[in-house]
Parts: sequence; structure tokens; C-alpha cells
Amino acid sequence: KAGVTQTPRYLIKTRGQQVTLSCSPISGHRSVSWYQQTPGQGLQFLFEYFSETQRNKGNFPGRFSGRQFSNSRSEMNVSTLELGDSALYLCASSWPTGTMLGGEQFFGPGTRLTVL
Amino acid sequence: KQEVTQIPAALSVPEGENLVLNCSFTDSAIYNLQWFRQDPGKGLTSLLLIQSSQREQTSGRLNASLDKSSGRSTLYIAASQPGDSATYLCAVRETSYDKVIFGPGTSLSVIP
Repeated sequence: KAGVTQTPRYLIKTRGQQVTLSCSPISGHRSVSWYQQTPGQGLQFLFEYFSETQRNKGNFPGRFSGRQFSNSRSEMNVSTLELGDSALYLCASSWPTGTMLGGEQFFGPGTRLTVL
Repeated sequence: KQEVTQIPAALSVPEGENLVLNCSFTDSAIYNLQWFRQDPGKGLTSLLLIQSSQREQTSGRLNASLDKSSGRSTLYIAASQPGDSATYLCAVRETSYDKVIFGPGTSLSVIP
């Protein structure tokens, strides 16, 4: 079974531009979460989608948004890029348990975004 | 607000040694706790998932325990190998806001 895939793997943008990152979950997984990882802040939760609905959101400005499609693939968008948005963006997919929560998370390799 | 800490921040041990990594969380209202490893510049690899109703999980040389009431989890690695060198992270899914909160990680170096 193929793992979580993320595209592109590397991206270089300039301040003020916008960017869209893509995540394809493991086949059959319906939950996708996004995280930002930086040396200073560590891994921080961005948002989580389940069945095309955003279930919850971390403490990030509205410039960060996402969506999930009917095939469970997800995209996240960052508008008006700032230097501080340079980070490794990771997505994770999971198959929720019977309570719809608590499924084991499997991560993709990440997208390394550099903002100049 | 849930906070997750990991001690030590870094650890260097000789090959073959058994070791324990610690993870603490401030709010015991969690659904589960998951341990990951991360190699430099890579994504996270899931090691073990412990549901809130469980006390421990084992996979090969790894054993993770969970004491929800005291807000602690430990990851035990037996007979460490150089290939175990990586950063180990723990994460809890809290019930209050249904978010996953990560600890800062422990950087492990196993010396041949």
C-alpha cells in the first residue's frame, strides 16, 4: 500500500506570493492533518480535515487555509507569504477508530518551503 | 492549555545500551499518545500508538508505556543500535480541542 505523498517536495517563493501544497493520503484513509515544522517552534498543528470538512484548526492566521476533496486528497494554501513561513510542511493521514478519533497518524515526507 | 515536554532534549549512548525517553503532558484528558521518529530532513515515522485506555504497547525492541493520571509516557529502546539515531517525538491527541500536540523531541545518538 502506498504511503502518504506530498507534492512538491521543495519550493522556493518570494514574499507576497502565494503557494499551494498537495497531500495524497494512504488509500482508504479519510482524515488528513497538516503541520508546520520549524527549528524554533517545533511541530505545530495547522488543521485537520475529515470527509471534506475542516474539523479543527490551530492558531495560525487566516492566510493559511486548506481543503479536502471527495477522494480525500487535501491541499493547503498560504497567501501573502512572509519570511517566517519558511518551514517544512507535513501532512498526515489516518483511519479514524470507531469513535472517529484516535486513529494512528502516518506522515508524508513533507514539503520544504523557502520564502525569500 | 495542553503542553507536552520531553526529557532529555538530547542523549548520546554507546551501542547496545538500553535507554528510556520521557514524555510528559499537562492535561490528562487525551484520546491517545503516539511516538514517532524523525530522521534529518525527513517526515515522521510512526513507532507506537497507545490509546488512553491502554497501559503499554510493544513493537520489536520498543516498548511504550502510558500513565494518564500522572501525565507521563516512556519509550524504552532495548539494545540500541546506530540505526536508532534520530529525533524521537511524542504527540497527544487532546479531548478538549481535539488537536494533536507534539513535544519538542529528544535527539538520540547511538555511538558504534
